[in-house]
Amino acid sequence: DAGVIQSPRHEVTEMGQEVTLRCKPISGHNSLFWYRQTMMRGLELLIYFNNNVPIDDSGMPEDRFSAKMPNASFSTLKIQPSEPRDSAVYFCASSLRQVNTGELFFGEGSRLTVL
Amino acid sequence: SQQGEEDPQALSIQEGENATMNCSYKTSINNLQWYRQNSGRGLVHLILIRSNEREKHSGRLRVTLDTSKKSSSLLITASRAADTASYFCATDGPGNTGKLIFGQGTTLQVKP
Repeated sequence: DAGVIQSPRHEVTEMGQEVTLRCKPISGHNSLFWYRQTMMRGLELLIYFNNNVPIDDSGMPEDRFSAKMPNASFSTLKIQPSEPRDSAVYFCASSLRQVNTGELFFGEGSRLTVL
Repeated sequence: SQQGEEDPQALSIQEGENATMNCSYKTSINNLQWYRQNSGRGLVHLILIRSNEREKHSGRLRVTLDTSKKSSSLLITASRAADTASYFCATDGPGNTGKLIFGQGTTLQVKP
């Protein structure tokens, strides 16, 4: 299995531009998580999906952030408009959730720099 | 707010020594997990311990869980330079929400 695939790996954009981050989870996994990692705030859970349905988006910082999971093999995280404080590494992770949350498999991350 | 908090924030040891990292959390849990992150990479799962378990081993890793104190420890024995990384604990929080919340992590440096 190729693991969780994220794209792009690096993105540099200017303030006000729209940013779309993409994630392909591991086939057969039914839960998908988006995390943001910064030095100041560590790893923050933004949103997670179970069976393609958003379960908890309380970590999404503001309305500028949105996430979708149109099918079991694809998810996007969109920031519109982007701001310099959005600069961070964004991780997607997937897992096979049975009774409780199990092992998460992480992608390599998308490093976003907003100028 | 973070569910888990690791201690120490940074640890530097010589190769061959043991490394111990601690994690404290605030609410009841179903399980607690430890992850490793090498610089510039994604997190990798190391071990999961359930709330009804007290100790678990995996190779050179030993994890303990004390639910009465809401704390866990990760011991890496006979450390190697390749163990240099950040280590995070993660908890699934109260109830069965499916959320996995990470602590701030411990940065471990193993000097050859």
